[in-house]
Amino acid sequence: GAGVSQSPSNKVTEKGKDVELRCDPISGHTALYWYRQSLGQGLEFLIYFQGNSAPDKSGLPSDRFSAERTGGSVSTLTIQRTQQEDSAVYLCASSLGRTGLDTGELFFGEGSRLTVL
Amino acid sequence: AQSVSQHNHHVILSEAASLELGCNYSYGGTVNLFWYVQYPGQHLQLLLKYFSGDPLVKGIKGFEAEFIKSKFSFNLRKPSVQWSDTAEYFCAVNARGGYQKVTFGIGTKLQVIP
Repeated sequence: GAGVSQSPSNKVTEKGKDVELRCDPISGHTALYWYRQSLGQGLEFLIYFQGNSAPDKSGLPSDRFSAERTGGSVSTLTIQRTQQEDSAVYLCASSLGRTGLDTGELFFGEGSRLTVL
Repeated sequence: AQSVSQHNHHVILSEAASLELGCNYSYGGTVNLFWYVQYPGQHLQLLLKYFSGDPLVKGIKGFEAEFIKSKFSFNLRKPSVQWSDTAEYFCAVNARGGYQKVTFGIGTKLQVIP
């Protein structure tokens, strides 16, 4: 597509429920990133994909968080047994990801705002 | 691992005032540096970037930033701000060569008063 697409744009859930957030990167971008934006916390790195594999999962805050990417394209971030502290905007970004071509510039989606009651 | 510090978290300026937002990074090797901007209700977008060459880089909307290697700094400047510059500004860094995740600062909220 023309840009990075994320869904849902807004999600309100009850504590303890599972949520899935979806990201559709720019066509041809092999690198995909998930960040979390909370008030006063800046952008917190969660996970990075190169193709379908995730060489860097260092930012996932707990084992309740997982992510996968299929077909080198769409990615899903899953949060199990949501807690109130999970409330944030979850941002997806993509980049070319090709050695020698990728300048490191990230293209961001609009984000998914998650509210856990 | 790299890190980024943005010193001003909230800046309020009148229109036509000059702007300088501080950014310092921590990393021992060669880096790429970025400033991203998030206008109210919009997604993050690239304002400008530095990879190599002239340390003074110019971006969109009259913004510029200067890379000072000895100070590990990449401050953002604009000589005369406009109300439409009201936004949140993020400095970011990634290490050159191979995969290195892009690390962001905490962000600076700029409010320009007409």
